[in-house]
Amino acid sequence: NAGVTQTPKFQVLKTGQSMTLQCAQDMNHEYMSWYRQDPGMGLRLIHYSVGAGITDQGEVPNGYNVSRSTTEDFPLRLLSAAPSQTSVYFCASSYTWDGIYGYTFGSGTRLTVV
Amino acid sequence: KNEVEQSPQNLTAQEGEFITINCSYSVGISALHWLQQHPGGGIVSLFMLSSGKKKHRRLIATINIQEKHSSLHITASHPRDSAVYICAVTAGSTGTASKLTFGTGTRLQVTL
Repeated sequence: NAGVTQTPKFQVLKTGQSMTLQCAQDMNHEYMSWYRQDPGMGLRLIHYSVGAGITDQGEVPNGYNVSRSTTEDFPLRLLSAAPSQTSVYFCASSYTWDGIYGYTFGSGTRLTVV
Repeated sequence: KNEVEQSPQNLTAQEGEFITINCSYSVGISALHWLQQHPGGGIVSLFMLSSGKKKHRRLIATINIQEKHSSLHITASHPRDSAVYICAVTAGSTGTASKLTFGTGTRLQVTL
C-alpha cells in the first residue's frame, strides 16, 4: 500500500493563478481532510470529507474548493492564489478503530505564492 | 487560549537523556494523538490514546482524562529523535467523524 500520496511536493505560483493539489489514498478510508501548516500556528483544517460526494468546510476554507467524486481522491483547488496561501499543505485520511479515528498523513506540499 | 497547549515549545537534550513533552487540552475528547514531524518531512502518527498508557520501543505516551493532560516520554534519547512533536485531539464523542485540533508543536533537538 502507498498510503496517502500528495502531489506536487513543491509549487510556486503567481498571485491570481489557480492550481489543484492532489491527494490519493489506497486504504479505502472514508474520511479525508486537508490541513495547512503555518509557522507558530499549528495545523488548521481547511476542508474535510466523510465519504464520496460529501464535503464540508473546516476552520479556514476561504479561497479553497474541494470535491470527492471517489473514495480514493480528494483534490484541493486554489481558485485564485494569494500570498496569504503560502503554506505547507497536508492531506490526511482516517480509519476507525474501536470507534476512534486514527489518521494517516501525506508527505505535504510546500506552496509559495509570489 | 488555544484548545491544545504544549510545553515546552523548544527542547534541547543530550543523547541518552530522558525527555518529557506535555500536552494540555480544554475540551472533551474522544482521542488524543501524538505526531512526529522531521525537518522538511511529513507527519507520522506515533500514538492514538483514549485512556491509560501506550509504549512503542523508546516512546511512552500517557493520558489523564480527568486532568485533561497527556505526556510523551522518550527514553534514552538519540539524535535521530530530533523532530517536532505535535499533540492533537479529536473532540466530541467516540464514533463521530471528528476533526483534529492541533497544538503548535514542541521542537526537540538531541545532541551528541
